Amino acid sequence: NAGVTQTPKFQVLKTGQSMTLQCAQDMNHEYMSWYRQDPGMGLRLIHYSVGAGITDQGEVPNGYNVSRSTTEDFPLRLLSAAPSQTSVYFCASSLYRGAGYEQFFGPGTRLTVL
Amino acid sequence: DQQVKQNSPSLSVQEGRISILNCDYTNSMFDYFLWYKKYPAEGPTFLISISSIKDKNEDGRFTVFLNKSAKHLSLHIVPSQPGDSAVYFCAAKKDENKLVFGAGTILRVKS
Repeated sequence: NAGVTQTPKFQVLKTGQSMTLQCAQDMNHEYMSWYRQDPGMGLRLIHYSVGAGITDQGEVPNGYNVSRSTTEDFPLRLLSAAPSQTSVYFCASSLYRGAGYEQFFGPGTRLTVL
Repeated sequence: DQQVKQNSPSLSVQEGRISILNCDYTNSMFDYFLWYKKYPAEGPTFLISISSIKDKNEDGRFTVFLNKSAKHLSLHIVPSQPGDSAVYFCAAKKDENKLVFGAGTILRVKS
């Protein structure tokens, strides 16, 4: 099992550009989520999904879109990048309801917006 | 409004001694708590968890204690090893699987 994979590892964008951060998991987990990690603030939930076709907003959703067409994939789209979106982005997955709630994280994507 | 707080940004401990990492929370609706460990340039990895109906959970060198009346939990690592040096995040669950994370504590174990 590869677990949770994320691409790319690093990305530099200019203000106003758009891009998609990819996330995939091979554990057949229903629940998937995106977090951003900023210094001194821990990880904050951007969007999450409880299954294919179902997504919802987390704590800091503005400027981001998600979709979940398959159980395995959960891409995060930046519509028009801003310097405030410079961060490290983590995708995570878990079973939904029960089984300990532990989420498995990908290695992260470090994004810089100039 | 930080619902989960880790007030110590860093902690330094001698190898073989106990490491105690602390976490405070404000939302009494949290029903499950988790600790994650993170090395540089890697994603967080799950360490140990505790349900709100328990006050202690132990797994090898790691023990988590929960004091609901004080809204406080702590992670004890005994004995501490140099490989334990990492950032430790406390997280709490309220709705569905959504987690709220603290800002993290950097643990340095000196050999």
